[in-house]
Amino acid sequence: DVKVTQSSRYLVKRTGEKVFLECVQDMDHENMFWYRQDPGLGLRLIYFSYDVKMKEKGDIPEGYSVSREKKERFSLILESASTNQTSMYLCASLSSYNEQFFGPGTRLTVL
Amino acid sequence: AQTVTQSQPEMSVQEAETVTLSCTYDTSESDYYLFWYKQPPSRQMILVIRQEAYKQQNATENRFSVNFQKAAKSFSLKISDSQLGDAAMYFCAYPQGGSEKLVFGKGTKLTVNP
Repeated sequence: DVKVTQSSRYLVKRTGEKVFLECVQDMDHENMFWYRQDPGLGLRLIYFSYDVKMKEKGDIPEGYSVSREKKERFSLILESASTNQTSMYLCASLSSYNEQFFGPGTRLTVL
Repeated sequence: AQTVTQSQPEMSVQEAETVTLSCTYDTSESDYYLFWYKQPPSRQMILVIRQEAYKQQNATENRFSVNFQKAAKSFSLKISDSQLGDAAMYFCAYPQGGSEKLVFGKGTKLTVNP
């Protein structure tokens, strides 16, 4: 079974803090993704990575950065958290059959 | 911009009945995949069913089937014999420009009434 894990289910941070969201997959997938999910907006792609140290901006990259130092780990970084970044964050990895496997999500609240 | 449209923000169905969730998409590609994902309350998003555009036969997975109309760019999900565990958000998704990146619809919240 493919497993995608995220470091926290719930996270509360203060405005201006630097926030790290970690994602790990155990199936040697090359492609990994970070999405943001908001009610009525569906899932929006923030960044994705197609290999170690390789990344590409998604549809809403502003205010975020990413790091992929190892194949299994893809981190999302909020350099200076703001209240409008309060959201559910989903990580996914892509199988060779074009199926994306999702982590459980991190619900981030920025106060 | 390529888009995926789910025109029903919410749907409800009686247990054991059949419900159809609609999805339309916009693409100029000729060969692609289409996906339906399910996100139960407070649980992980999982793939329900996948359709390959070059296949004329509609995909089926147990009680879940699709009605794929390539010319109309329509990809609806039919759930037969609905169960309480089918209650979830359902997302239709399509690869952006034939790439690995998925474009998701805004979702349909399905309620199953006992």
